[in-house]
Amino acid sequence: KAGVTQTPRYLIKTRGQQVTLSCSPISGHRSVSWYQQTPGQGLQFLFEYFSETQRNKGNFPGRFSGRQFSNSRSEMNVSTLELGDSALYLCASRPLALEGSPLHFGNGTRLTVT
Amino acid sequence: DQQVKQNSPSLSVQEGRISILNCDYTNSMFDYFLWYKKYPAEGPTFLISISSIKDKNEDGRFTVFLNKSAKHLSLHIVPSQPGDSAVYFCAASDKSGGGADGLTFGKGTHLIIQP
Repeated sequence: KAGVTQTPRYLIKTRGQQVTLSCSPISGHRSVSWYQQTPGQGLQFLFEYFSETQRNKGNFPGRFSGRQFSNSRSEMNVSTLELGDSALYLCASRPLALEGSPLHFGNGTRLTVT
Repeated sequence: DQQVKQNSPSLSVQEGRISILNCDYTNSMFDYFLWYKKYPAEGPTFLISISSIKDKNEDGRFTVFLNKSAKHLSLHIVPSQPGDSAVYFCAASDKSGGGADGLTFGKGTHLIIQP
């Protein structure tokens, strides 16, 4: 079974621009979560989608948004990029959005904002 | 306020010996705990988990112990192998959100297995 696929692997953007990151979950997984990893803050929860609905959102500004399609693929969008948005963005999937069920992570998209 | 703390940024252990990674938490609403392992340039990989109704869970060389009264958990790796060298993250799930609030991660411990 193919793992979680994230594209692109690397991205360089300029302050003020917007960016869209893509995630294809493991086949059969209906829940997709997004996390931001930075050296200072570690891994932080952005949001989780299940059956095209956002279940919850972490403590991030409204510039961070996402969506999930009927085939469970997900996209994450960041508008009006700031230097502090430079991070590794990780997508994770699981079969159902059940508490305690482990997440399966992709290898991430490394975003650099200049 | 860090709700999940891994106080050792790094740990060096000799090959064949036991590795013990520690994690402390402050939120009494956490009821699932998970350990992830991360190699450079890869995403975290799930290792083992434990529910708060248990105090031990074992899977091969990996055992997780949970002490609810101390709000402390530990991951034991026996015997340690060179491929175990990686960053290990402790994570917790808050039952008050029904698991919808995502996982809260510690900042990780870099385990180095010395030959």
